[in-house]
Amino acid sequence: KQEVTQIPAALSVPEGENLVLNCSFTDSAIYNLQWFRQDPGKGLTSLLLIQSSQREQTSGRLNASLDKSSGRSTLYIAASQPGDSATYLCATRGGTSYGKLTFGQGTILTVHP
Amino acid sequence: DTAVSQTPKYLVTQMGNDKSIKCEQNLGHDTMYWYKQDSKKFLKIMFSYNNKELIINETVPNRFSPKSPDKAHLNLHINSLELGDSAVYFCASSLRELNTGELFFGEGSRLTVL
Repeated sequence: KQEVTQIPAALSVPEGENLVLNCSFTDSAIYNLQWFRQDPGKGLTSLLLIQSSQREQTSGRLNASLDKSSGRSTLYIAASQPGDSATYLCATRGGTSYGKLTFGQGTILTVHP
Repeated sequence: DTAVSQTPKYLVTQMGNDKSIKCEQNLGHDTMYWYKQDSKKFLKIMFSYNNKELIINETVPNRFSPKSPDKAHLNLHINSLELGDSAVYFCASSLRELNTGELFFGEGSRLTVL
């Protein structure tokens, strides 16, 4: 059974800092890993999707890496801004047909001015 | 314009009642999902439907019954509501052919059972 863990649970940084969010998973047989952002009272917004054959994906100030063999992914946020404050969730998609997403519990990020 | 839409956004009801949450997607996807986010913000899959056919049922109590009238809609009906059913329920969709595809989520329906 897949288990996904995110560290740290919460992070508070001053504006402008570069930061790294960590995600680890126990079963490396995945199709892909997806990073989401959730704002309070809102749904999930997909940030980056990394296929199992890929090592990293980039979108603007975000860079996500995947090391499938070691069961780890990191989300790197460059030059953080107050608008980046949200909960960040990683989720793996199972390596079977109709694979389901298994979520970590999230990292609550606060970027203060 | 909304890709995955859920109604209602908020639902407050008494224990023992029956309620439904509706979900619609206009992305042309053929796989839809219901996820539950509990008070600790942990998201867990409940059901998945592919083209109106149930494909994932994660040991959810049979008081929960999903219904898919067509591949663009997946509704969730809950009978005999209990306090522990209070949570945020998220609908999502993806392309079935692409197990590698992204999931797109609705904004959630917050259910409070009193």
